[in-house]
Amino acid sequence: NAGVTQTPKFRILKIGQSMTLQCTQDMNHNYMYWYRQDPGMGLKLIYYSVGAGITDKGEVPNGYNVSRSTTEDFPLRLELAAPSQTSVYFCASSRGTGATGELFFGEGSRLTVL
Amino acid sequence: AQSVTQLDSQVPVFEEAPVELRCNYSSSVSVYLFWYVQYPNQGLQLLLKYLSGSTLVESINGFEAEFNKSQTSFHLRKPSVHISDTAEYFCAVIPLGRFGAGTRLTVKP
Repeated sequence: NAGVTQTPKFRILKIGQSMTLQCTQDMNHNYMYWYRQDPGMGLKLIYYSVGAGITDKGEVPNGYNVSRSTTEDFPLRLELAAPSQTSVYFCASSRGTGATGELFFGEGSRLTVL
Repeated sequence: AQSVTQLDSQVPVFEEAPVELRCNYSSSVSVYLFWYVQYPNQGLQLLLKYLSGSTLVESINGFEAEFNKSQTSFHLRKPSVHISDTAEYFCAVIPLGRFGAGTRLTVKP
């Protein structure tokens, strides 16, 4: 039972490089989220999606892009990486909001931009 | 708009002591409240949730939280903590998945 799978787990980027964090879930969840976690700041919502073909900005979307072509996949793209994007990134999914709003998290991707 | 405030960034306690981790929220719509726990170098796991009904909810490992609508709070409590409870705890509000900044609970022997 895989749940939410994120790759890669670790990555070091140089300033200005681009990369994609992959996220896939096998629970047929409609909702998917990307968060970043910085020390003492909790989790900040970057982007979320309520279904295939639909995405929306969260609290801190600048410098990131997402797409949702299938229910299973929700990749996060970093264009022109900056040191401020050094963080741990978590992907999550849920069936929906309200009573089904429990979020299931991946194990995280630690990104360092030098 | 929704926001979640965890009032303590760090809570150190001795083993077998009681603990309370505080969470307040603001929202213009009805919300559902969650507590998640994150052990070192791991992802987040659901600890407990309030959806409706009884305002007191319990987890399987002895934690409980009480939803107080008038005070817009959802504080997490445990009457006697263990070393293994050392972790970071996050309060969350659904919909829109807003999380508090987290409270680091450190249980000392």
